[in-house]
Amino acid sequence: DTGVSQDPRHKITKRGQNVTFRCDPISEHNRLYWYRQTLGQGPEFLTYFQNEAQLEKSRLLSDRFSAERPKGSFSTLEIQRTEQGDSAMYLCASSFRDRGTEAFFGQGTRLTVV
Amino acid sequence: KQEVTQIPAALSVPEGENLVLNCSFTDSAIYNLQWFRQDPGKGLTSLLLIQSSQREQTSGRLNASLDKSSGRSTLYIAASQPGDSATYLCAVTGHSGGSYIPTFGRGTSLIVHP
Repeated sequence: DTGVSQDPRHKITKRGQNVTFRCDPISEHNRLYWYRQTLGQGPEFLTYFQNEAQLEKSRLLSDRFSAERPKGSFSTLEIQRTEQGDSAMYLCASSFRDRGTEAFFGQGTRLTVV
Repeated sequence: KQEVTQIPAALSVPEGENLVLNCSFTDSAIYNLQWFRQDPGKGLTSLLLIQSSQREQTSGRLNASLDKSSGRSTLYIAASQPGDSATYLCAVTGHSGGSYIPTFGRGTSLIVHP
């Protein structure tokens, strides 16, 4: 296992289209996080899974956003009816179950809405 | 709500200097603090993880300290090199409504010139 994998690395879409991103965490990690990062800012928390359960969602996650983690393995983040303000880097991270463990990040998906 | 502040926001130094990057947080009830490096357009690479019970961690030319009671951490980079140029982010994991979610600062953008 080489780490957290995200696909695609880059996505350009027209405003109003739907997009879906995938994250494959490190295999034994049961926690999975999604973050959004805009230029010059730190990553902002979006949502978090423990196994297949989505335990917390940020108020940043509007009703156009949905995330799933079927069977507690990979996760998908879908954005419906994209807006220019959705343009950002979307980062996925995973960690092992214990609360003090290290979080590992993927390379991110860069979304550009035109 | 946990807030994380990083000072300075940007730093430009000549090669060979020793550097100190600062991170402060408002809620001292944390489980761990993690320092990351981010290259432009890339994901986050974990540098050091400090558990709440620890005072410091070292990896090569990097040393991170943690003073939980005062809500501060420092990342010390010895003998800086141009390859150290990147954005450095700190993230604090605390207990938020039963979840363990890393909260990030905005980062320090470091340029080391030859």
